[in-house]
Amino acid sequence: TQLLEQSPQFLSIQEGENLTVYCNSSSVFSSLQWYRQEPGEGPVLLVTVVTGGEVKKLKRLTFQFGDARKDSSLHITAAQPGDTGLYLCAGAPGNTGKLIFGQGTTLQVKP
Amino acid sequence: EAGVAQSPRYKIIEKRQSVAFWCNPISGHATLYWYQQILGQGPKLLIQFQNNGVVDDSQLPKDRFSAERLKGVDSTLKIQPAKLEDSAVYLCASSFPGLDYEQYFGPGTRLTVT
Repeated sequence: TQLLEQSPQFLSIQEGENLTVYCNSSSVFSSLQWYRQEPGEGPVLLVTVVTGGEVKKLKRLTFQFGDARKDSSLHITAAQPGDTGLYLCAGAPGNTGKLIFGQGTTLQVKP
Repeated sequence: EAGVAQSPRYKIIEKRQSVAFWCNPISGHATLYWYQQILGQGPKLLIQFQNNGVVDDSQLPKDRFSAERLKGVDSTLKIQPAKLEDSAVYLCASSFPGLDYEQYFGPGTRLTVT
């Protein structure tokens, strides 16, 4: 059972377009993290969201945590080729203390 | 600040052979993790250490995988004997005590089993 479902799995867009990636679950999370992974490298932490309804911005990236703390979204404004990579959401459901990852969203931004 | 170091970066072996991966975490990070990432999937936790003790190894295939962190700093992950389905990227990560959800990853070792 995949506890964190990401959608879409693949996204190919032109430079300058906007996009949203979703991370959904039926479980409640105390926090959710978003990572970006480039080919041949390990994931790099982008942000942690903790409070239901929280919105965090990182330059052109906007992260939102659902009110019920079961889902999150990542919105990129005016995507650039440098945004290309695998975007992973992660979290520890309930009180397990064990981080699980979604299957990832592969983003390709064409110049 | 130096990041998480891993070696080797790439390894190709035949099935039934053995292989070992090494990881040196960020200085001061008491918690160390080994993940397996199969192509097209997110990382899956294999084992978690707190200092030199095992916190979680519930998803480690113990009949063929082993890991140790003898002095609470660097760690090795071994596979013996390897199977074709072990082909994956093996990622090491570390975190500060109390901030286990914010992990810092190394570049990974890409293992191909033929």
